[in-house]
Amino acid sequence: GDSVTQMEGPVTLSEEAFLTINCTYTATGYPSLFWYVQYPGEGLQLLLKATKADDKGSNKGFEATYRKETTSFHLEKGSVQVSDSAVYFCALKYYGGSQGNLIFGKGTKLSVKP
Amino acid sequence: DGGITQSPKYLFRKEGQNVTLSCEQNLNHDAMYWYRQDPGQGLRLIYYSQIVNDFQKGDIAEGYSVSREKKESFPLTVTSAQKNPTAFYLCASSGTSGNTGELFFGEGSRLTVL
Repeated sequence: GDSVTQMEGPVTLSEEAFLTINCTYTATGYPSLFWYVQYPGEGLQLLLKATKADDKGSNKGFEATYRKETTSFHLEKGSVQVSDSAVYFCALKYYGGSQGNLIFGKGTKLSVKP
Repeated sequence: DGGITQSPKYLFRKEGQNVTLSCEQNLNHDAMYWYRQDPGQGLRLIYYSQIVNDFQKGDIAEGYSVSREKKESFPLTVTSAQKNPTAFYLCASSGTSGNTGELFFGEGSRLTVL
């Protein structure tokens, strides 16, 4: 079935470092792909999305490109800030079956130190 | 403001008691979802509802029940049959018109069994 695999955390970086969080997927068809962010004690918020191959989603300095050839949607940011500390979830939209709407990866916790 | 409201934010329960978590949305969304979040396991789908008076089991429905009598409301009952109910519970909704798959989340309810 469809699935999402993202790199395990936690990831600890210094402020202004470059961030990459890897995400790969398995899916039948051409799913939409998402990155969600969860700040401590809160629900999830949509960070960015891409709905077709080669689309680049971007928001708040974060970017991710939908790569069909490598089935990947890696999250990147050129210079992280302490305020980016959160858990990041990669997800794909699942069509049909009993899975509901989205399938999520297990999340990657990012800690940014000043 | 439009959004999803979950209550209570924190809840303590004695073993053997049923508890009900509230989820209300004013986004006029047709679909609503309940997820359970445990450390290191990401989000797991409990139940979802695509339309009023209809709902479907997700991956971990055992020990839980839901109702969808109104479009705006999707309460979750954690029954005494749920073996390990201590967790963070997230409610979400999505629209079906021009739906790109984005979910909107509430801020969550943390349930602790004493």
